Amino acid sequence: TQLLEQSPQFLSIQEGENLTVYCNSSSVFSSLQWYRQEPGEGPVLLVTVVTGGEVKKLKRLTFQFGDARKDSSLHITAAQPGDTGLYLCAGAKQAGTALIFGKGTTLSVSS
Amino acid sequence: EAGVVQSPRYKIIEKKQPVAFWCNPISGHNTLYWYLQNLGQGPELLIRYENEEAVDDSQLPKDRFSAERLKGVDSTLKIQPAELGDSAVYLCASSSRGSSSTDTQYFGPGTRLTVL
Repeated sequence: TQLLEQSPQFLSIQEGENLTVYCNSSSVFSSLQWYRQEPGEGPVLLVTVVTGGEVKKLKRLTFQFGDARKDSSLHITAAQPGDTGLYLCAGAKQAGTALIFGKGTTLSVSS
Repeated sequence: EAGVVQSPRYKIIEKKQPVAFWCNPISGHNTLYWYLQNLGQGPELLIRYENEEAVDDSQLPKDRFSAERLKGVDSTLKIQPAELGDSAVYLCASSSRGSSSTDTQYFGPGTRLTVL
């Protein structure tokens, strides 16, 4: 059973389009993180959300943590080819415990 | 500041052979993680160290996998003997327990293992 379900698994869009990636769970997490991974590299942290309902913005990326701290979303506005990569959500059940990763969303943005 | 260093970056071996991966975490990071990542999937934890103590190794297949973190700095992950299904990317990450409730994990580039 996958604790964190990410959708969609694959996304192929044109430059300039908007997109949303979802990360859902039936479990509550103390914090949730979003990572981006490029081929041949390790995941790189984009953001950490810890408060239910929290919204964080990183340039064209908007991250939201659900009120109940069971789900999160990543919205990209006006996607660019440089946004191409594997987007991973990861949650910690408690502070200081290992992260549980979702299976990821592979995003391809073509020009 | 140097990031997490892993070596080798790539390794190709025949099945039943042993293999070892090495990780040097970010200086001062007391927590070290080994993850396994299959193609197009998220990382899965194998083992977590706090200094030199393995505090979570419940997902480590102990019949063939072993790990050590002598002196609480560098770490080595070993597979003996390797099986075809072990082909994957092995990621090392480190973090430092700060005053916040979340620990940021910094990942190395990984070692891509291919078992033939």
